[in-house]
Amino acid sequence: EPEVTQTPSHQVTQMGQEVILRCVPISNHLYFYWYRQILGQKVEFLVSFYNNEISEKSEIFDDQFSVERPDGSNFTLKIRSTKLEDSAMYFCASSEPLAVTDTQYFGPGTRLTVL
Amino acid sequence: LAKTTQPISMDSYEGQEVNITCSHNNIATNDYITWYQQFPSQGPRFIIQGYKTKVTNEVASLFIPADRKSSTLSLPRVSLSDTAVYYCLVGDFTNTGNQFYFGTGTSLTVIP
Repeated sequence: EPEVTQTPSHQVTQMGQEVILRCVPISNHLYFYWYRQILGQKVEFLVSFYNNEISEKSEIFDDQFSVERPDGSNFTLKIRSTKLEDSAMYFCASSEPLAVTDTQYFGPGTRLTVL
Repeated sequence: LAKTTQPISMDSYEGQEVNITCSHNNIATNDYITWYQQFPSQGPRFIIQGYKTKVTNEVASLFIPADRKSSTLSLPRVSLSDTAVYYCLVGDFTNTGNQFYFGTGTSLTVIP
């Protein structure tokens, strides 16, 4: 069964450093998403991406965040200057086009720890 | 956006059927109901989706009454590995690319 994969599984960084989280969506999917979950809290939407453009973004997704599809398989989330409060699990998801209803398939997540 | 209400937690013994009910009084005509499962430190996993009446797959059943103001996820004969958080999502899933709203979910603990 096709899966969304994410690397690394755990990233530790110093405050103020840039991090790039990587995702490989399911191959025939064209919609991509990033969500995050701070420990003990809800899963929160960050951004959706389609046709090389951001479709929708939340208030969390400020200028420190950016997304990119650098090639035909990867989808990345960059945090330019990390803050302590960026520590969370970050989940990538993807969904296929033209389905009757949308089902988003999530990856295993990257645990980001900002020190 | 339809607000959903689920129990915060539930306990069940192994081998029993578990029913988790979600209230969504303000569900709109175009809204579907989707359930996800999440294990600790893992991504949410799609379980089942429905619009009305009953939907069944290899994992669970989803019961939706005629007024659609609630839905019940039914897990047959749970095992310890079904211990997880279960989320009820309601939205117009006919449009791809929209954000999914996760609430606090129901934390199910299966007891030996």
